[in-house]
Amino acid sequence: GENVEQHPSTLSVQEGDSAVIKCTYSDSASNYFPWYKQELGKGPQLIIDIRSNVGEKKDQRIAVTLNKTAKHFSLHITETQPEDSAVYFCAASGGTSYGKLTFGQGTILTVHP
Amino acid sequence: EPEVTQTPSHQVTQMGQEVILRCVPISNHLYFYWYRQILGQKVEFLVSFYNNEISEKSEIFDDQFSVERPDGSNFTLKIRSTKLEDSAMYFCATTGPPSRETQYFGPGTRLLVL
Repeated sequence: GENVEQHPSTLSVQEGDSAVIKCTYSDSASNYFPWYKQELGKGPQLIIDIRSNVGEKKDQRIAVTLNKTAKHFSLHITETQPEDSAVYFCAASGGTSYGKLTFGQGTILTVHP
Repeated sequence: EPEVTQTPSHQVTQMGQEVILRCVPISNHLYFYWYRQILGQKVEFLVSFYNNEISEKSEIFDDQFSVERPDGSNFTLKIRSTKLEDSAMYFCATTGPPSRETQYFGPGTRLLVL
């Protein structure tokens, strides 16, 4: 089955800096890659997603890139703000398990004012 | 904006007891999922459900687990005889039009088995 690895496990940045979180996946048939933000005591909230027919997608300060050949995808947050502090999860689905999301380990992002 | 809701938010139970976790999907959603997150670990897929049938289940989803949609709105996860290792956060997620892929998660139920 699919396996998703996520790095780094923790990331600390100063307000205004950029943050980059990287994920790799194992199943070349996976074709949908969402990113979720989880705040303390809450469920994961979708912040951006990308499909395998697209190499990059941007939504204001957040962008995601996908390299299908290398089987990795990344989340980029620019001009970070303290309210960006949370746990971020990447996930993958598609291929042999349509709909089932396989998550990465999560990255604890801390943005210092 | 429509949301997935879950009840209860917290549940404490004794080992061996049955628990039922409830989820109310977004109204026009037809695909339902349960995930769990043991403290400090990955979010793990348990089961997917569509058209009153299980579509896929993981190795975790053994005979002590069951799911149903008893009344056309609630989607439930039952754990028949809880074990200590069932202690986790349980999330319901649903998808529907226009995208079957985009999953919306509820706030979760924190289950503690003593």
